Amino acid sequence: SAVISQKPSRDICQRGTSLTIQCQVDSQVTMMFWYRQQPGQSLTLIATANQGSEATYESGFVIDKFPISRPNLTFSTLTVSNMSPEDSSIYLCSVLTNSNQPQHFGDGTRLSIL
Amino acid sequence: LAKTTQPISMDSYEGQEVNITCSHNNIATNDYITWYQQFPSQGPRFIIQGYKTKVTNEVASLFIPADRKSSTLSLPRVSLSDTAVYYCLVGYSGNTPLVFGKGTRLSVIA
Repeated sequence: SAVISQKPSRDICQRGTSLTIQCQVDSQVTMMFWYRQQPGQSLTLIATANQGSEATYESGFVIDKFPISRPNLTFSTLTVSNMSPEDSSIYLCSVLTNSNQPQHFGDGTRLSIL
Repeated sequence: LAKTTQPISMDSYEGQEVNITCSHNNIATNDYITWYQQFPSQGPRFIIQGYKTKVTNEVASLFIPADRKSSTLSLPRVSLSDTAVYYCLVGYSGNTPLVFGKGTRLSVIA
């Protein structure tokens, strides 16, 4: 299965700042997704990162708050903009290598906003 | 996407077999059933996937009745290290991202 690396693994940020999370995969993948997991909760899909075009966002998530890039088949970034304490969560990158394989997840970025 | 319902939590003693049942009454013809395991501070890890009848791998078995409206994940002889949250997901195994339910928190007791 694909090896997924997320950076940073954790960070503590000030209110009003922005942080960019990187997701690097060791092989080309067809699909990349970003999820959020709030403390003690399940995972919520933020968006599908589309290569070379704008990401597809789920209801409740907007590009201005969570801009996403995917410049190639192995890399994507998620930015959490103008952070507030409510954005304190784990942000996870997930990939599909092809349509016949299960989705695989990185270990996430634990973000705390003061 | 089909919604899933599973118990919020379960307790088991070490060495016992654990069965976690998931209901998915609105499963579509193309949908697969996938189970993930998540430990604290880690991303979900794929356990097993099936479409119908029974699937077995080195970690678990998945039982799916003919109507596919439910499924049961079976973990043989659990150990303390199996303490985790287990998610049942239903969806088309194509390019559609998985939608997570609340999961089942399994606690294994010595």
